[in-house]
Amino acid sequence: NAGVTQTPKFQVLKTGQSMTLQCAQDMNHEYMSWYRQDPGMGLRLIHYSVGAGITDQGEVPNGYNVSRSTTEDFPLRLLSAAPSQTSVYFCASKTGTGNEKLFFGSGTQLSVL
Amino acid sequence: QKEVEQDPGPLSVPEGAIVSLNCTYSNSAFQYFMWYRQYSRKGPELLMYTYSSGNKEDGRFTAQVDKSSKYISLFIRDSQPSDSATYLCASINTGGFKTIFGAGTRLFVKA
Repeated sequence: NAGVTQTPKFQVLKTGQSMTLQCAQDMNHEYMSWYRQDPGMGLRLIHYSVGAGITDQGEVPNGYNVSRSTTEDFPLRLLSAAPSQTSVYFCASKTGTGNEKLFFGSGTQLSVL
Repeated sequence: QKEVEQDPGPLSVPEGAIVSLNCTYSNSAFQYFMWYRQYSRKGPELLMYTYSSGNKEDGRFTAQVDKSSKYISLFIRDSQPSDSATYLCASINTGGFKTIFGAGTRLFVKA
């Protein structure tokens, strides 16, 4: 059982470039989310989804887009990368409300130059 | 002001010490309180989970929630070098979709 899989593990972008961070889970979880982790700031919620076709904003959504076409996949798109988006990104999933344990991927370290 | 506040540390203790990690929260609707442990260059993993006020014990770990003061604590007894990690507190309200995390406290346990 792979759990939550994120790709790539590392990425370097130039300012203005776009890219998609991939996230897939094989646990049939309804809920998926993206967090960014910065020193001293902890994990901050970017976007989340409660099921295929349903997405909503978290604490820090600006500069990021998401879509949820299948239960398994929840990609995060950076439309025009900025140095402020340099961070470690984590994808997480859980079964739904009432079961609050989040399962995290191993993270993507992104640097924007 | 963040909804969940946590001192990022770092906190350094000798092996065998009792460790106390703490958070405060501001959202009265929070009902679920969690502690996640994160090793270096890894994703966080759930360590402890508490619903509403009270204590929960699991081996050397005790989670405590005081809703009257909006205070969340994690105690580690007989700390080991393998406990060296970042500990993140987190909260969510019943039926909610947004798990809110504290900044995380970096813990070092010296052998």
